Amino acid sequence: NAGVTQTPKFQVLKTGQSMTLQCAQDMNHEYMSWYRQDPGMGLRLIHYSVGAGITDQGEVPNGYNVSRSTTEDFPLRLLSAAPSQTSVYFCASSYAGTGGTNTQYFGPGTRLTVL
Amino acid sequence: RKEVEQDPGPFNVPEGATVAFNCTYSNSASQSFFWYRQDCRKEPKLLMSVYSSGNEDGRFTAQLNRASQYISLLIRDSKLSDSATYLCVVTSGGSYIPTFGRGTSLIVHP
Repeated sequence: NAGVTQTPKFQVLKTGQSMTLQCAQDMNHEYMSWYRQDPGMGLRLIHYSVGAGITDQGEVPNGYNVSRSTTEDFPLRLLSAAPSQTSVYFCASSYAGTGGTNTQYFGPGTRLTVL
Repeated sequence: RKEVEQDPGPFNVPEGATVAFNCTYSNSASQSFFWYRQDCRKEPKLLMSVYSSGNEDGRFTAQLNRASQYISLLIRDSKLSDSATYLCVVTSGGSYIPTFGRGTSLIVHP
């Protein structure tokens, strides 16, 4: 199993540009999520999905869109990049269970800089 | 008040020392508890789950105190390779959306 993969690993954008961060998992996990991590802020949930066709907003959704057309893929779209979106982005997946079954598996991250 | 709180540290300890971190959570309905480890510029990875009766994995011991709503992580005989940030993670009952603490930084020096 490849686990959770993310592309690209690094990206530099200019203000106003759009782009899509890719995330894929091969563990048949129902739950997928996107986080951003900034110094001193910890991991903040952007959007999440509990299955194909179902998405919902997390703590910091503004400026981002997601879709979930398949179980495996969960892309994150930046509509019009802003310097405040400079961050490290992590995708994670897990089984959608409780009681200890929802261990989160993270991708290696995408380091995004918006100039 | 943040749902999951941790002392950010850093905890600076010599090799061989014992160090303990605490994490408090605000939701009394919390059901699942975990410690994750995050190395510099890497993704978080599960270190261990935390069970009601407490559990041990080698040099690492995790404990849960539901009455006081905190979990702890004890690291014995610290190694240089233990240097990392340790994230406390809590999931509330009926939810599969985890809440992450901001992490505690550990630096083990020779």
